[in-house]
Amino acid sequence: DGGITQSPKYLFRKEGQNVTLSCEQNLNHDAMYWYRQDPGQGLRLIYYSQIVNDFQKGDIAEGYSVSREKKESFPLTVTSAQKNPTAFYLCASRGVGLGGTEAFFGQGTRLTVV
Amino acid sequence: SQQGEEDPQALSIQEGENATMNCSYKTSINNLQWYRQNSGRGLVHLILIRSNEREKHSGRLRVTLDTSKKSSSLLITASRAADTASYFCATDAGYGNKLVFGAGTILRVKS
Repeated sequence: DGGITQSPKYLFRKEGQNVTLSCEQNLNHDAMYWYRQDPGQGLRLIYYSQIVNDFQKGDIAEGYSVSREKKESFPLTVTSAQKNPTAFYLCASRGVGLGGTEAFFGQGTRLTVV
Repeated sequence: SQQGEEDPQALSIQEGENATMNCSYKTSINNLQWYRQNSGRGLVHLILIRSNEREKHSGRLRVTLDTSKKSSSLLITASRAADTASYFCATDAGYGNKLVFGAGTILRVKS
């Protein structure tokens, strides 16, 4: 089945640790995105990538890093520089099409600092 | 910065009533999209309307777009308890594939 998979579903991080969230898609999509969602809030864009080996900062990139070495994969690292990382993280992907295309989302990773 | 701003923030209606949510945005867009999110889950795409379109329908959903006012509305007709969710608009400016979401409207449909 085609889709977008995030793992793990729940992640606990100690203060000062870096953690990496996984996002994999088999939809052959060029563009991939990472969003952060805080309780009762909308989605804020962290990073996005249009193509392999290329990515751009979103609105809240500080304290995060990404890589795009393969078309299928877009992992997000939450570094110790991110002071308030507890949130729900969503990954999305979409294809390129004239007039725009819909995005497909994973089921999210809930990160908690302990 | 958030591109889309939804209104109202929360909406509570009875089953069978219609629900209308509005979205305003600030810059030119290539298309505007509406998504639904059930609590604690990922978002699901509902409908996409392009900048040269004014209205679009999908089942019980009706979306309008007014580019002169930089606003869009989502109408859900004959609502059901299962429509209870958060609804988000997202703007796509085209070049660069940046997809920016608003803060969302929480819809509660009471049975």
